[in-house]
Amino acid sequence: KNEVEQSPQNLTAQEGEFITINCSYSVGISALHWLQQHPGGGIVSLFMLSSGKKKHGRLIATINIQEKHSSLHITASHPRDSAVYICAALPVGNTDKLIFGTGTRLQVFP
Amino acid sequence: NAGVTQTPKFQVLKTGQSMTLQCAQDMNHNSMYWYRQDPGMGLRLIYYSASEGTTDKGEVPNGYNVSRLNKREFSLRLESAAPSQTSVYFCASRLATYTGELFFGEGSRLTVL
Repeated sequence: KNEVEQSPQNLTAQEGEFITINCSYSVGISALHWLQQHPGGGIVSLFMLSSGKKKHGRLIATINIQEKHSSLHITASHPRDSAVYICAALPVGNTDKLIFGTGTRLQVFP
Repeated sequence: NAGVTQTPKFQVLKTGQSMTLQCAQDMNHNSMYWYRQDPGMGLRLIYYSASEGTTDKGEVPNGYNVSRLNKREFSLRLESAAPSQTSVYFCASRLATYTGELFFGEGSRLTVL
């Protein structure tokens, strides 16, 4: 069992739908990252959070430290949101060795 | 700003050949990383450099060496390539350990025949 698990692995949606991607982890963490990888392969950092909630445009990330769970929400999804979304956990006491999930592949159709 | 630049973008090698992947960042970041990405697996850390002059092993260092040439540049060398090293390699950087978002290069797709 991976220390960082994402669900679902694949997700399809119609444009405009509300999307939720989940990330669960089994280790104590000091921070969690959400990343976006587009079909061309480039990876972009979306959020880094250690508590509560962060919002950027149509993207919202939440984390519940006690439940060891984070969610990434996309409101009013658009075809340009189609990408692989990756969560990565930074274990407590470990400054550099992120543990990555295997990603959630999202396709949004017009 | 160019951000993180890595070269080459594509490379095909024969088993036993050597090569170096180059990475440079122009954001004055202290920490730099090399990851590999394989199908069905999360990104895995090969080596990292928390600051200029230091390097440390990550999760999968065997078969690789690194050099932190200066604050800007962090190279990854395969001395004797093996088919198991066929992968997509990403360089990344951030301001310092514990702080801030990661910035990634575009990736280098390496095939070892």
